[in-house]
Formats: sequence, C-alpha cells, structure tokens
Amino acid sequence: GDSVTQMEGPVTLSEEAFLTINCTYTATGYPSLFWYVQYPGEGLQLLLKATKADDKGSNKGFEATYRKETTSFHLEKGSVQVSDSAVYFCALINSGGYQKVTFGIGTKLQVIP
Amino acid sequence: GAVVSQHPSRVICKSGTSVKIECRSLDFQATTMFWYRQFPKQSLMLMATSNEGSKATYEQGVEKDKFLINHASLTLSTLTVTSAHPEDSSFYICSVWGRTSGELFFGEGSRLTVL
Repeated sequence: GDSVTQMEGPVTLSEEAFLTINCTYTATGYPSLFWYVQYPGEGLQLLLKATKADDKGSNKGFEATYRKETTSFHLEKGSVQVSDSAVYFCALINSGGYQKVTFGIGTKLQVIP
Repeated sequence: GAVVSQHPSRVICKSGTSVKIECRSLDFQATTMFWYRQFPKQSLMLMATSNEGSKATYEQGVEKDKFLINHASLTLSTLTVTSAHPEDSSFYICSVWGRTSGELFFGEGSRLTVL
C-alpha cells in the first residue's frame, strides 16, 4: 500500500536558519503530494501541494518539489522564523481519492530566537 | 476564517462515560466528512468516513460500536466515544473535502482525556 516516510523530529533551529524536512513516499500510480502544518492547539492547514512530477509547491516562503525519480517531496525554507514553530506533515492522495489520504508521522519544528 | 469547527477542543471524562464531539462545516455543505485519530508521536489514522444520511464507513480495526458516528445534516457530523476508557484518550480530528479547492480542511481537533 501507499506510505509516506518523514524524518522524525524534533528539529530545533535558530531563527533565520535554513530548513529542510525530508519526505519520501511509496505509491502506485501518480499521487498528489501535500505538506500540512499544525500550529499548537490548532487543526492541520494545507501549506502547499504539487499534483504532478516536477511541480513545485510554494507558500509563505516554504517550497517543495515533486521528484518522481527519487519519490521525494522535501520541504524547504530559506530563513525560518519563530512563528514557523509547528508540526509539519507530509501526505499523499492517490487514485483512491480523498478518502485515502496517507500521512507521514509529522515532524515537529522548534525555532528559537 | 475557519472552514471546519470542532467542539469541544478539550474534554476530560471518567472511565465508562460517553463523550460526543461535534464537527461542523462552516463554509459549504459536506456530504462526506472524515474522522481521524492522532496518537502521540504518530501520524493521523483515518477512523471512518461519515456520510450524510447514511451509515458511516469504518476503517479496518475501528470498532463501530465504540465510535458512533452520526451525520444528520450537510454541515454536522458527530463522533461519540461510548463507554470511554483511558486507552481512548487521544486527539480526534475531523476533516471535510473542499471540492472547489481540491483540498482537505481540518477542524481544530478535540483532545479527549479519559481518567
């Protein structure tokens, strides 16, 4: 079946540091890939998405590129802020439709001033 | 603003009691809602798909009699944890699929603690 592998956290960075959170996936067909963010005490919010190979999703300074050859969708940000502290989930939706969203384990990011 | 609202955000109950969690779609009508459970240091696990006007579809391993789901209207789904036990303590999250935007919208989550 489908699966998403994410680096385990927590990841602690200083403000303005470069962020990479790795995400790789296993899926049949051509899944759509997502990054969700969960701020403390809140539900998950869609951060960015990519629906086909070589697409780049971007939002709020975050970027991720859909790499079919390496089955990866790594999340990056050039300069993190304290307000970026949250849990980040990589996810995919395959041909099974929205009922079958597969999430990664979630990576907690803590940014310190 | 929020697209999906959950209530309560936190609930503490005694073992053996039942707890109801509400999930409301605020911006659009939702014939289908999803209920997830999030264990500490683990990912979200889909528990069931709530279908308006019909029975919910449960994932394998999820007890139907334990987790009662009712989807009585196009904007409201409820999850009732019956005869709760400490092992039911968890973070429960609902979501709604936005057809226009093609994304899942999530509620704030409800943290259940069973003493």
